[in-house]
Amino acid sequence: DQQVKQNSPSLSVQEGRISILNCDYTNSMFDYFLWYKKYPAEGPTFLISISSIKDKNEDGRFTVFLNKSAKHLSLHIVPSQPGDSAVYFCAASAESGTYKYIFGTGTRLKVLA
Amino acid sequence: ETGVTQSPTHLIKTRGQQVTLRCSSQSGHNTVSWYQQALGQGPQFIFQYYREEENGRGNFPPRFSGLQFPNYSSELNVNALELDDSALYLCASSLGMARTEAFFGQGTRLTVV
Repeated sequence: DQQVKQNSPSLSVQEGRISILNCDYTNSMFDYFLWYKKYPAEGPTFLISISSIKDKNEDGRFTVFLNKSAKHLSLHIVPSQPGDSAVYFCAASAESGTYKYIFGTGTRLKVLA
Repeated sequence: ETGVTQSPTHLIKTRGQQVTLRCSSQSGHNTVSWYQQALGQGPQFIFQYYREEENGRGNFPPRFSGLQFPNYSSELNVNALELDDSALYLCASSLGMARTEAFFGQGTRLTVV
């Protein structure tokens, strides 16, 4: 039972354009969400998070949007750069006080120069 | 400030054997969590240690066990290895129990033959 779904295994975007990565979840108890980026042979690197009391969080070129009614979140990268090419994981948490994050299967983003 | 380091980087074991993986948490971090990432999947939560006590566990059998030491470094032990245990094992460290981002190491690639 996949509680966090990233339905697009891959995405290609031109440099300078917007990248939009999507994530859907099924568990209405999730109240904290994160995005991680992973390069080959490295561990995941934290990008941005959002609490369920917000619907948007912004950090530089990265913005996460949360639509609780649709159980959907998205990560926007503007403008996209070749160095953004990586696998992006969406993660969710329902348990305050633990780091039990439920991860999606990832979306591989390729930014074309 | 040193990051999260894991050892070894790669490991090959035979089915039925036992393995110990090690993790040094980021300086000042007192919480360690372990994840298993199978090929093509997102990381799956194994368990978490806070101040040397296990205080959260995912859906993994008891042959997956761990320790956290007074310096907050940690070990993951897997007994009676099975072929399906082949995966990337990720350690993540964080400070305290308030939900914030967890910082991941580069992982240990375990292959069971």
